[in-house]
Amino acid sequence: ILNVEQSPQSLHVQEGDSTNFTCSFPSSNFYALHWYRWETAKSPEALFVMTLNGDEKKKGRISATLNTKEGYSYLYIKGSQPEDSATYLCAFFRGTGNQFYFGTGTSLTVIP
Amino acid sequence: EAGVAQSPRYKIIEKRQSVAFWCNPISGHATLYWYQQILGQGPKLLIQFQNNGVVDDSQLPKDRFSAERLKGVDSTLKIQPAKLEDSAVYLCASSFTGNSYEQYFGPGTRLTVT
Repeated sequence: ILNVEQSPQSLHVQEGDSTNFTCSFPSSNFYALHWYRWETAKSPEALFVMTLNGDEKKKGRISATLNTKEGYSYLYIKGSQPEDSATYLCAFFRGTGNQFYFGTGTSLTVIP
Repeated sequence: EAGVAQSPRYKIIEKRQSVAFWCNPISGHATLYWYQQILGQGPKLLIQFQNNGVVDDSQLPKDRFSAERLKGVDSTLKIQPAKLEDSAVYLCASSFTGNSYEQYFGPGTRLTVT
């Protein structure tokens, strides 16, 4: 079993605050790292697919970086809004085998 | 574009009963995944199909779980007989092909075994 860790487990921030989360994964046999947002009672939604060391991706107020050599990815949210409240999942895919390994997620609550 | 459809959305059964979940992936998506997400844990892959063939089912408890994807489109996941520890959300996802492509998830089926 491969370990993908996310921190923090949960986070409460005020509206307008910026925040970031971490996803840690094994640095060997890296192939891809995915970020998903999962709002309550909805389907998980893909945010980013990252494949190259040093990748930086952005979608609106959300951005992500990738360091495959040290095995981590950061997700940043600038100026958090209540609609950003969700669980953010990362999923690691390694070059050997055919499985995605999900972290346990970071639960974000943005307080108006 | 229609999303991934799953049914039912909720199911409550007693232990030792049987249950089946259905998934219809996005049209044209060759790869289909079934995940089990137990409260407090990340989704765990149960089985992955490429068209109608199984790519990986190493974490599928085959003594009680079975899955099929006839004709490479719809898929069903069955649990027979259910145990209390099977209570979870069962997510179906599909992707165009390969594993560097993002996955599109259905809304999930929340199973409660009493």
